[in-house]
Amino acid sequence: QKEVEQNSGPLSVPEGAIASLNCTYSDRVSQSFFWYRQYSGKSPELIMSIYSNGDKEDGRFTAQLNKASQYVSLLIRDSQPSDSATYLCAPQEGYSSASKIIFGSGTRLSIRP
Amino acid sequence: DTGVSQDPRHKITKRGQNVTFRCDPISEHNRLYWYRQTLGQGPEFLTYFQNEAQLEKSRLLSDRFSAERPKGSFSTLEIQRTEQGDSAMYLCASSFHKGQGYNSPLHFGNGTRLTVT
Repeated sequence: QKEVEQNSGPLSVPEGAIASLNCTYSDRVSQSFFWYRQYSGKSPELIMSIYSNGDKEDGRFTAQLNKASQYVSLLIRDSQPSDSATYLCAPQEGYSSASKIIFGSGTRLSIRP
Repeated sequence: DTGVSQDPRHKITKRGQNVTFRCDPISEHNRLYWYRQTLGQGPEFLTYFQNEAQLEKSRLLSDRFSAERPKGSFSTLEIQRTEQGDSAMYLCASSFHKGQGYNSPLHFGNGTRLTVT
C-alpha cells in the first residue's frame, strides 16, 4: 500500500486564526483527494474533495493540491472550537477502474478559545 | 438517502469465537469498502467491492477475515477465531463509482466496535 503522511499533531490554533493541515502521498498517479473530519468516537465525515491542481474553496475551508509535489493541504479560516477534531487525508491509490481510497493517520487539531 | 447502516454497533466476544458484521450501503452506491480503525490511527483498508465483485483484499489481512457482498447489496464481514488484536472499530463506507480513473467520496456508517476479551 502506498504511503500517506500527515503530522499527527496535536496542532493547537487560537480561535479565529487559520489552521493549516498538510499531507503528502507517495502514489504519483493519484487523481482524487479527500479531507475527512473525525470527532472522537464518531465516523469520518467528508469535508472536501479535490481533483485538480490549485485551490478549491468551500465556506471556511480551502483545499490546495499540487500533484507534481504530491502534496495536498487543508486551510480552515476563522477557526472555531467546533473545528477541534482529527482531520484525515485520503488520496486515491492507483489510477484505474480498481483504484481505491486510503487514509493517513490523521492530524489532531485543537482550537483554543 | 438513509445513509450507510452498520449492525451491530457494539460487539463483545471472547477470544476464539467467530463474529459477523453487516453493512447496508446507500442504495444507489455500487462500491462498498471495509476499514478497520484503532485508537490514534487512520482507517486501515481491509477490502472493497464493486457490485458483488471483491476487487481487492489487503495483503495484511489474515485468512481469518472474509467478506461477501451477495447480489451487490449489503455486505458481511466475518472474523473467525477472534484474537485480542482484532479489537477495533470496523467501518463500512460506500460510494458511487463512475468507472473512470477518478474516485467519488466515501460515505461512512457509524461503525461496529469490536472488543475481544
